[in-house]
Amino acid sequence: GQSLEQPSEVTAVEGAIVQINCTYQTSGFYGLSWYQQHDGGAPTFLSYNALDGLEETGRFSSFLSRSDSYGYLLLQELQMKDSASYFCAVSSSRGYQKVTFGIGTKLQVIP
Amino acid sequence: DGGITQSPKYLFRKEGQNVTLSCEQNLNHDAMYWYRQDPGQGLRLIYYSQIVNDFQKGDIAEGYSVSREKKESFPLTVTSAQKNPTAFYLCASSKAASGTQYFGPGTRLTVL
Repeated sequence: GQSLEQPSEVTAVEGAIVQINCTYQTSGFYGLSWYQQHDGGAPTFLSYNALDGLEETGRFSSFLSRSDSYGYLLLQELQMKDSASYFCAVSSSRGYQKVTFGIGTKLQVIP
Repeated sequence: DGGITQSPKYLFRKEGQNVTLSCEQNLNHDAMYWYRQDPGQGLRLIYYSQIVNDFQKGDIAEGYSVSREKKESFPLTVTSAQKNPTAFYLCASSKAASGTQYFGPGTRLTVL
């Protein structure tokens, strides 16, 4: 089966940088994704890594190390609106692609 | 505009009744998914479908059923056999073999 671990809560100051780590166990690894979810809303896609390395999209970056079964989401120049839950999700492929989500990291940005 | 729609946004049912949640997408995606989210929890996969007329059980399929008669539609039925059905239900779709899922706005089901 698949399992993911990420911190349950993180607090950071507005304007700072925060890193949210994710470790996973899976067979047939296909890729690691990150999603943002504000309270009461639906998850929205942030980034996807299939290969080792860093992917940058504006203030958000995501990193993957397949050999370490590890990834992280980096948020720079934090804004109050970044307060939300962030989920890592692993895609596995054994005939059918299945996506398993972590429990989410609740990020609180403080002034 | 392309996207995923779920209806209704809020749904109330009496215990023992079956209820069907709607999910429609016009993104021309092959794959569709149903997740359940409980307060303060992550998303747990109920069912997923990669192609029309085919679907697979996820991690918590007991008490749920689905159909995929059309590419655009993937309705979920919460049956009376589901012991704790009150939750936030999210539908998603993706291109085949893609790590990017697009989510609908969700349906909050409350069983009284």
